[in-house]
Amino acid sequence: GNSVTQMEGPVTLSEEAFLTINCTYTATGYPSLFWYVQYPGEGLQLLLKATKADDKGSNKGFEATYRKETTSFHLEKGSVQVSDSAVYFCALSQGAQKLVFGQGTRLTINP
Amino acid sequence: DAGVTQSPTHLIKTRGQQVTLRCSPKSGHDTVSWYQQALGQGPQFIFQYYEEEERQRGNFPDRFSGHQFPNYSSELNVNALLLGDSALYLCASSSDAGGFYNEQFFGPGTRLTVL
Repeated sequence: GNSVTQMEGPVTLSEEAFLTINCTYTATGYPSLFWYVQYPGEGLQLLLKATKADDKGSNKGFEATYRKETTSFHLEKGSVQVSDSAVYFCALSQGAQKLVFGQGTRLTINP
Repeated sequence: DAGVTQSPTHLIKTRGQQVTLRCSPKSGHDTVSWYQQALGQGPQFIFQYYEEEERQRGNFPDRFSGHQFPNYSSELNVNALLLGDSALYLCASSSDAGGFYNEQFFGPGTRLTVL
C-alpha cells in the first residue's frame, strides 16, 4: 500500500539557519504530495502541495519539489524563524482524497 | 467563516465505554473525513463520509462507526473503548467538486483519553 517516510526528529536549529526535512513515498501511479504543519494546540494546516512530477509547491518561504525519479518531496526553507517551530507532516493522496501521512518531524527554532 | 469545528475539545472515558465525537464542516463543504492521531505519530485515516454514506474506510475495526447528517455535519462513534483508543481525533472537510484533488481543511481535534 501507499506509505510516507519522513526524517526522524526532533530537529533543532538556530534562527536564520537553512532547513531541510526529508520525505520519501511509496505509491502506485501518480499521487499528489503535501506538507502539513501542526502548531501547538492546533489542527493541521496545509503548507504546500504538488500534484504532478517536477511541480514545486511553495508557501511562506517553504518549498518542496515533486521528484518522481527519487520518489521524494523534501521540504526546504532558506532562513527559519522562531515562529516556524511546529510539527511538520509529509502526506500523499491518491484518487479518493484519503490522506496518508508520515510520522511527523518536530522542528524547534532557537533565537 | 468558522472553519471546521469539533466538539468536545477534551474527553475522558474509561475502558468499555462508548464515545461520540462531533464535527461541523467548513461552509460549502460536503465531505467529511476522520483521522486518529496517536501521540507522536501521524494521523491515520479512519473513514470518509459523502452524501450521508461511508465512501471509504481505513484499517479500523467495526467499533469505529460514523454518521453524516443532511447538513453535512458528522459524528464519530467508538464502542467498547480500549486504552489504545486514546488519541487526538481530527475531522477534515472538503468539497467534492469533482476535481483531481480537493483540499482538506482540518479542525483542531478532540483529545480522547481512555483510562
